[in-house]
Amino acid sequence: GAVVSQHPSRVICKSGTSVKIECRSLDFQATTMFWYRQFPKQSLMLMATSNEGSKATYEQGVEKDKFLINHASLTLSTLTVTSAHPEDSSFYICSAREDSSSPLHFGNGTRLTVT
Amino acid sequence: ELKVEQNPLFLSMQEGKNYTIYCNYSTTSDRLYWYRQDPGKSLESLFVLLSNGAVKQEGRLMASLDTKARLSTLHITAAVHDLSATYFCAVQVGKLIFGTGTLLAVQP
Repeated sequence: GAVVSQHPSRVICKSGTSVKIECRSLDFQATTMFWYRQFPKQSLMLMATSNEGSKATYEQGVEKDKFLINHASLTLSTLTVTSAHPEDSSFYICSAREDSSSPLHFGNGTRLTVT
Repeated sequence: ELKVEQNPLFLSMQEGKNYTIYCNYSTTSDRLYWYRQDPGKSLESLFVLLSNGAVKQEGRLMASLDTKARLSTLHITAAVHDLSATYFCAVQVGKLIFGTGTLLAVQP
């Protein structure tokens, strides 16, 4: 089946630094990728939708200058958390689909801890 | 704004018992998904429901969809400990919006 690879699986960084998370579709071309954030014991909250070659569409309340999303190819999207703070510590999950009628495939998630 | 609510939020049940998780959503949708999440892990896809009256079953889990009532159910039959996890429904309206989640704990 379709595989989405997310890297890294865990990252610890210091306050004020930036962290980049990669999401790759391994065996299909992902026209659309979605980035979610999940705080402990909570649901997944959609942060943004990215379409290949276009600017990402951010959900209300998500700072686009803080969470930089790049979807430069049909197999790779990146999320960069800039100037990270402890409150950005969370589980970030990407998902990808080939087209609007295709199912979503999820990455394994990235546990970000900001100290 | 689309709202997707699950009931209950937490469910503790004994092995062998049956129970149903409910998922209500506030607008029309293309499709509805059910996922399982184990602690510290990403999502495992369980079911996708595409039309009114759709019913799907896999093992001890059965999902159904009533688009007129904007309601989906996930029924658990004769629960076993291995089913302990958090279950999410998710509604697709272009993007995928997740429900609040139901933490299921099956006690021996």
